[in-house]
Amino acid sequence: EAQVTQNPRYLITVTGKKLTVTCSQNMNHEYMSWYRQDPGLGLRQIYYSMNVEVTDKGDVPEGYKVSRKEKRNFPLILESPSPNQTSLYFCASSSPSGGAVETQYFGPGTRLLVL
Amino acid sequence: DAKTTQPPSMDCAEGRAANLPCNHSTISGNEYVYWYRQIHSQGPQYIIHGLKNNETNEMASLIITEDRKSSTLILPHATLRDTAVYYCIAYHYGQNFVFGPGTRLSVLP
Repeated sequence: EAQVTQNPRYLITVTGKKLTVTCSQNMNHEYMSWYRQDPGLGLRQIYYSMNVEVTDKGDVPEGYKVSRKEKRNFPLILESPSPNQTSLYFCASSSPSGGAVETQYFGPGTRLLVL
Repeated sequence: DAKTTQPPSMDCAEGRAANLPCNHSTISGNEYVYWYRQIHSQGPQYIIHGLKNNETNEMASLIITEDRKSSTLILPHATLRDTAVYYCIAYHYGQNFVFGPGTRLSVLP
């Protein structure tokens, strides 16, 4: 089954404790991205990657890191989480087609609470 | 900032067509119009996308005006399960993918 998986699905942590949210897709997609969603602010792109070893900043990259060492994985790293990073996070993947991307498949989301 | 504007909310009677408008008056010639929807806090779901021509798939139809400054997503026979937030996005590969606040569609029995 084609899917994007994220782990963990729920996480409670404390300020400053490094964490990684994993994202994996089994569709051989080149394009992967991370979003956060907050009430009243909608979905905002954090980082995206158009292929292995290629990453670019989205609209809200501050406080986050990503890496794309393998095509299937795109982990999101919070080196020193702060309470303002409490949010619902989504990973997505797709394949490019000309100037477009085909369907972006979204993961189930990771709900993060930073105390 | 999002390059599109949508009404914040709409209602539609079950079984009727839902027509969701989107304004993208500053869209570039190479930017596609995408529609996604999100039900509760699930991951957004792709609906349809197009560049110039009208498009139709099993979920919906996309009507893009000739000047490409606006478009309409049509759900031909709305059901209660179509209640969701619908996002219209203007995008070209390599750009940031920007979701706006979307339109909250309520399908009423």
